[in-house]
Amino acid sequence: QKEVEQNSGPLSVPEGAIASLNCTYSDRGSQSFFWYRQYSGKSPELIMFIYSNGDKEDGRFTAQLNKASQYVSLLIRDSQPSDSATYLCAVKGNGNKLVFGAGTILRVKS
Amino acid sequence: EPEVTQTPSHQVTQMGQEVILRCVPISNHLYFYWYRQILGQKVEFLVSFYNNEISEKSEIFDDQFSVERPDGSNFTLKIRSTKLEDSAMYFCASSDSHSNQPQHFGDGTRLSIL
Repeated sequence: QKEVEQNSGPLSVPEGAIASLNCTYSDRGSQSFFWYRQYSGKSPELIMFIYSNGDKEDGRFTAQLNKASQYVSLLIRDSQPSDSATYLCAVKGNGNKLVFGAGTILRVKS
Repeated sequence: EPEVTQTPSHQVTQMGQEVILRCVPISNHLYFYWYRQILGQKVEFLVSFYNNEISEKSEIFDDQFSVERPDGSNFTLKIRSTKLEDSAMYFCASSDSHSNQPQHFGDGTRLSIL
């Protein structure tokens, strides 16, 4: 069974701080990695995607991938209360499907 | 920005009844997907669809489920005889290619089976 593991949280950070969200995956053949944000009762919203080892930055968000360690992370700089949500890590292997983690709840306190 | 649209937003159905959930994927996308999320649980893959046929399906997607692209825009999920455990949010997603491209999700249909 191919698994994606995330700490469920909640992760609480003060406004303006860096939030660090982590994810590990079991399928060494995984090829692409996605971070989605999900507000309560809403659908997953794509935040970032990364395919190669290293860092990828987009605005306040940085995705980091280490395939040797089977580890992907998301950093959110200058965290805002509106960033409070559940962050879903999703992994895609050779097939079509995304395998999701259970998500990490992030709370940004003002 | 183009988006995936789903109807209805909420469907209430008696157990044993058939239900059809509808999706309009992003217009230039070629790959279509259904996922579901039972309350408080992970998002789970159901099925992917390309070139008018199923390309992959999960163990959840048994004979009670079917998908169809009846015209050039709609993509539907049918559950033939609903069970209480089918109650969930159902998300449609689409992507413009198979390998690596992100899947964009619709707002979902909340299916409640009574």
